[in-house]
Amino acid sequence: DAGVTQSPTHLIKTRGQQVTLRCSPKSGHDTVSWYQQALGQGPQFIFQYYEEEERQRGNFPDRFSGHQFPNYSSELNVNALLLGDSALYLCASSFLSGGAYNEQFFGPGTRLTVL
Amino acid sequence: AQRVTQPEKLLSVFKGAPVELKCNYSYSGSPELFWYVQYSRQRLQLLLRHISRESIKGFTADLNKGETSFHLKKPFAQEEDSAMYYCALLNQAGTALIFGKGTTLSVSS
Repeated sequence: DAGVTQSPTHLIKTRGQQVTLRCSPKSGHDTVSWYQQALGQGPQFIFQYYEEEERQRGNFPDRFSGHQFPNYSSELNVNALLLGDSALYLCASSFLSGGAYNEQFFGPGTRLTVL
Repeated sequence: AQRVTQPEKLLSVFKGAPVELKCNYSYSGSPELFWYVQYSRQRLQLLLRHISRESIKGFTADLNKGETSFHLKKPFAQEEDSAMYYCALLNQAGTALIFGKGTTLSVSS
């Protein structure tokens, strides 16, 4: 099992463009969370997907949207890119069982640079 | 408000010296706290979780509700402990982690 995988590794975009980042969860996991990590900061929660629905959302504008597919993989879309969107985007997967929290496993991240 | 504070950006120690990475939190109720580590060129990974009460790679962390702290400790630092360490708090909904800004630990010989 390769664990959580993300693509692409790096991406350069210009202001106003749109971007799509992809994530494949660890085998056996059904829940995907996305985090944004700006330089010098800890990861910040964007949203979480389970059963193809957004389960919870952090404090991010509607320009940030996502999707989860039947195979549990997920996409993060960002519209109308701003310079401040430059960051490392992390995907984390876990499995949902009852009300208990299960460990989130992180991917290597996608480095997005907005010029 | 739910918040995690790591007051030190960088902690430099010599090999064999004790290490304490500080973490303070703000949370209503019983918090669930974690320490994550990121070694150079590796992905973020869980080091320990307070409810498991384990010692991983010689590290321990005790939850002090009175001081709202969850400091990470190791009695004798090793060079391979050099990494970025993040303290994290599970949010009230139990879905997401709230991270501190991280502390870089540098262990030199």
